[in-house]
Amino acid sequence: NAGVTQTPKFQVLKTGQSMTLQCAQDMNHNSMYWYRQDPGMGLRLIYYSASEGTTDKGEVPNGYNVSRLNKREFSLRLESAAPSQTSVYFCASGGDLSPIYGYTFGSGTRLTVV
Amino acid sequence: SQQGEEDPQALSIQEGENATMNCSYKTSINNLQWYRQNSGRGLVHLILIRSNEREKHSGRLRVTLDTSKKSSSLLITASRAADTASYFCATDRGSTLGRLYFGRGTQLTVWP
Repeated sequence: NAGVTQTPKFQVLKTGQSMTLQCAQDMNHNSMYWYRQDPGMGLRLIYYSASEGTTDKGEVPNGYNVSRLNKREFSLRLESAAPSQTSVYFCASGGDLSPIYGYTFGSGTRLTVV
Repeated sequence: SQQGEEDPQALSIQEGENATMNCSYKTSINNLQWYRQNSGRGLVHLILIRSNEREKHSGRLRVTLDTSKKSSSLLITASRAADTASYFCATDRGSTLGRLYFGRGTQLTVWP
């Protein structure tokens, strides 16, 4: 099925460890986004990539880095994980019709930092 | 900071009843979108309304937008147990880059 695929689905890290969250879309979308969702909160934008080769900070970029590897893939890296980064992370993508039909979200990565 | 604020935070109704959720926002927008999130899952796009539209329908969904009051409402008619989910509004704050700003959501529970 076409859509946004995130890996892994679950991860537990120790404080200070690093990891990369992977995201891939097969809809030929230009833009991709990383959000985090904390309990009782809506999603907050971490980083986004409006097109292949470009990335920009969102609302809460501190502690994260991103790479737009190609048009399909957009990864999020935590260099030194902190308990405050415990959250559910969602990747999303958007194409030319997204201003009409909305954006497509992955199923999320649930990250716990202990 | 949260752009949208949904109201109520939680709503509990019986199957067959209508559910109304409200969203307020603070800045100018190009469009406002509503998403559904089932427990433990990703967000699913429901409906998008542009700033120059006042009302839009999609199946059992009806969305209204009042830009003068910076508010929107989502009505789900004849609710079903399968409608149980969290509902979020999201705006673009006038940007064309696709960045979305979400509210905290309304948790809807529909009892059989």
